[in-house]
Amino acid sequence: GENVEQHPSTLSVQEGDSAVIKCTYSDSASNYFPWYKQELGKRPQLIIDIRSNVGEKKDQRIAVTLNKTAKHFSLHITETQPEDSAVYFCAAGDSGGGADGLTFGKGTHLIIQP
Amino acid sequence: DAGVIQSPRHEVTEMGQEVTLRCKLISGHNSLFWYRQTMMRGLELLIYFNNNVPIDDSGMPEDRFSAKMPNASFSTLKIQPSEPRDSAVYFCASSFAGTNTGELFFGEGSRLTVL
Repeated sequence: GENVEQHPSTLSVQEGDSAVIKCTYSDSASNYFPWYKQELGKRPQLIIDIRSNVGEKKDQRIAVTLNKTAKHFSLHITETQPEDSAVYFCAAGDSGGGADGLTFGKGTHLIIQP
Repeated sequence: DAGVIQSPRHEVTEMGQEVTLRCKLISGHNSLFWYRQTMMRGLELLIYFNNNVPIDDSGMPEDRFSAKMPNASFSTLKIQPSEPRDSAVYFCASSFAGTNTGELFFGEGSRLTVL
């Protein structure tokens, strides 16, 4: 089955700086790579996703890059703000038009220092 | 739509008791997932259904765990008998396996504590 490794487990950055979270996956059949954000005590929510036919995707201050050859993908957050503090999960799966069982990384606790 | 609805939100029980967690899908969704979240293991997929049919239950820890989907909008996850190591937050999520988005919509979670 799929195995997703996520680093770092904790990341502390100054407000306004950039944050980068990295993930690797093992199954070359995976073609769908979403990122979820979970605020304290809340449910995980999708913030951005990318498919294997795309190398990069951007949405305002967040961007995701994918290297299929190396089997790794990353989340980039620029101009970080206090509300970016949360746990971020990457995931990988074979999404044949739906959400087959995604395998999640163990999460990165992002702390934005004022 | 109110989103994915889970109950109970919190449950405290004693070892050996039966626990039943409930989930109502978003109307129109046809895929249902049960995840377990702990600090040590993160988000683990326990089982998922497509159109009420269990597709992959390889994540179910052992025979004490069972899940059902008696109709298109409702699912239960049962633990019998419960053990302290089952303490976790259990999330239900749904999606529509007919679009190209793959987005999972999570419920608020059920926090289970087994004493």
